[in-house]
Amino acid sequence: SAVISQKPSRDICQRGTSLTIQCQVDSQVTMMFWYRQQPGQSLTLIATANQGSEATYESGFVIDKFPISRPNLTFSTLTVSNMSPEDSSIYLCSVVIGVGGDTFGSGTRLTVV
Amino acid sequence: RKEVEQDPGPFNVPEGATVAFNCTYSNSASQSFFWYRQDCRKEPKLLMSVYSSGNEDGRFTAQLNRASQYISLLIRDSKLSDSATYLCVVNMRSTDKLIFGTGTRLQVFP
Repeated sequence: SAVISQKPSRDICQRGTSLTIQCQVDSQVTMMFWYRQQPGQSLTLIATANQGSEATYESGFVIDKFPISRPNLTFSTLTVSNMSPEDSSIYLCSVVIGVGGDTFGSGTRLTVV
Repeated sequence: RKEVEQDPGPFNVPEGATVAFNCTYSNSASQSFFWYRQDCRKEPKLLMSVYSSGNEDGRFTAQLNRASQYISLLIRDSKLSDSATYLCVVNMRSTDKLIFGTGTRLQVFP
C-alpha cells in the first residue's frame, strides 16, 4: 500500500487569504484525488488530479476556488483560495491502490476566521 | 436521493455483541464496494472490500446484493476498539471515483 504525507495537518487562516495543501506519495500513482469533509459529514470529492493535464472538477467545485497542481506522479497540491468561514473543513488527498480501495493522507484541518 | 445511503446511527452496543450495518446505493453501474473505518479526527482507512460472494475477515463479514443494490457489514464479538464511524463506499471503476455514504457511528461500551 502507498504511504501519503500530507501537510499542513492543520491551520487557522484569515478570511480572504489562501492556503496550499501538499500531498507527497511514496510511489508513483496515476491519479490522486482531493476530498473535503465538512463537520459531521462524509467525504465529498472535489477533483481528480491528473499528471500532465488539468484537474477534473466535480459539480460545485471550480478551478478558480480550488486550483490544483500535479507536477509529477508522486506529488499534488490543492489551494483553497480567497477563503471564507464556509471553507472550514478537513481536506484529504487520496490515491488508488489497485482494486483494493484508496489510501488517504492524514488530512488538513482548516479553520477560517 | 443520495447515491450511497446509510443509517447514521449511533449504534450503541455492549462488548461482545453482534452488530450489522446496511447500506444501499443508487447507481447500478457501480462496480467496486468497500467498507472504510474512520476514527474521530482521523482519515478514513480501508476496512475491507466487498465481493458478490461475500467475504469474511476475522470478526467482520461483508456481503453484497447487486440485485437489491445493498451492502452489509456484520461485526461479531464487538470490542471497545471497534468504536468508530463505518463508511460505505462505492466505486465507479470507469472513473476510479469513490462515492461515500454519510457513515454509521458505532459505540461499543463495556
